[in-house]
Amino acid sequence: QVQLVQSGAEVKKPGASVKVSCKASGYSFTDYYIHWVRQAPGQGLEWVGRIFPNSGVTNSAQKFQGRVTMTRDTSIATAFLEVSRLRSEDTAIYYCAREVWFGEQLYAMDVWGQGTAVTVSS
Amino acid sequence: EIVMTQSPATLSVSPGERATLSCRASQSVNSNLVWFQQKPGQAPRLLIYGASTRATGIPARFNGSGSGTEFTLTISSLQSEDFAVYYCQQYYNWWTFGQGTKVEIK
Repeated sequence: QVQLVQSGAEVKKPGASVKVSCKASGYSFTDYYIHWVRQAPGQGLEWVGRIFPNSGVTNSAQKFQGRVTMTRDTSIATAFLEVSRLRSEDTAIYYCAREVWFGEQLYAMDVWGQGTAVTVSS
Repeated sequence: EIVMTQSPATLSVSPGERATLSCRASQSVNSNLVWFQQKPGQAPRLLIYGASTRATGIPARFNGSGSGTEFTLTISSLQSEDFAVYYCQQYYNWWTFGQGTKVEIK
């Protein structure tokens, strides 16, 4: 079945970087965008960015530009999110999600990873 | 950035009753709207896309409606498994989420 499996929890100090992985299975990895969404403790969902694994083209929310890097390794069907210059406000669960196209202007994130908890603390 | 505003923040409903959740966009998003359900400790689950089409496996008691700036998610008869947080999300201009509506047991 279609599945996204993420890497384990991370604890980082302020100013450090973290790299989270998202391994896809059960579908053609290069044919679907992978999005990254984060959720701070007790808060709502926030879109971080997306990558198209086929080309490597990325888009990110303006507030993250210059601080997030999204990459992929098609040989292992895995997408990566790296966040640099971490601060306490980056403490959150980071999710990856597949974007599916249903036709016309119909899109949605239909399959989600289990989430990766990133804690930034001195 | 398109701002999505959900109301109410919390909705207290008895099992078997109807729940009506609202989502408003700061500008028109046509029908480029999605609803998710999220339970504690779980990833979001896709419910509705295109404002009104149920995703695969979603029960018929979930109904989405609206277009432009005003959207509604109706759960016709709440089951125990429906108590959760619900988020709307627009993808007309990049992606932004509402802040969520928590549906709790009355």
